[in-house]
Amino acid sequence: GENVEQHPSTLSVQEGDSAVIKCTYSDSASNYFPWYKQELGKRPQLIIDIRSNVGEKKDQRIAVTLNKTAKHFSLHITETQPEDSAVYFCAASGETSGSRLTFGEGTQLTVNP
Amino acid sequence: SAVISQKPSRDICQRGTSLTIQCQVDSQVTMMFWYRQQPGQSLTLIATANQGSEATYESGFVIDKFPISRPNLTFSTLTVSNMSPEDSSIYLCSGTGFTDTQYFGPGTRLTVL
Repeated sequence: GENVEQHPSTLSVQEGDSAVIKCTYSDSASNYFPWYKQELGKRPQLIIDIRSNVGEKKDQRIAVTLNKTAKHFSLHITETQPEDSAVYFCAASGETSGSRLTFGEGTQLTVNP
Repeated sequence: SAVISQKPSRDICQRGTSLTIQCQVDSQVTMMFWYRQQPGQSLTLIATANQGSEATYESGFVIDKFPISRPNLTFSTLTVSNMSPEDSSIYLCSGTGFTDTQYFGPGTRLTVL
């Protein structure tokens, strides 16, 4: 089955700096890669996703890049703000997994004012 | 995006008892899933809830312990049976529409004494 590894497990940045979180996946058949943000005590919220026919996708301060050859994808947050502080999870799924998501272990992002 | 609700939001139960968690989606979804999230950890898929048929369980999860129903496209239940303290966790349901985009319910925080 699919295996998703996520790094780093914790990330602390100063407000205004950029943050990058990286994930690798094992199943070359995976073709959908969402990122979720989870604040303490809240549900995971989808913040951005990318499909395997696209190399990069942006939404305001958030971007995701995908390297299919290397089987890794990354989340980039620019101009970080204290409200970006949360746990971020990457995930992967594909046709063989029938929309079942395999999650990474999560990254605790702290943005210091 | 789909709006997903769960009941109860939290419960404290005695060991040996069972708890049924309900998940309601506001629009038709093609797939519904149940996840477990232990404190400070990632999400682990328990099973795929199939409409009108037996759920599909992931490795390590069995129907006798986590019976699941999905009588229609917008409703599913998960029962945690014969509970022990190790079952203390957050249980989340999710749903996808005709794309892979998956939305989560708010979760049910279960504490087993």
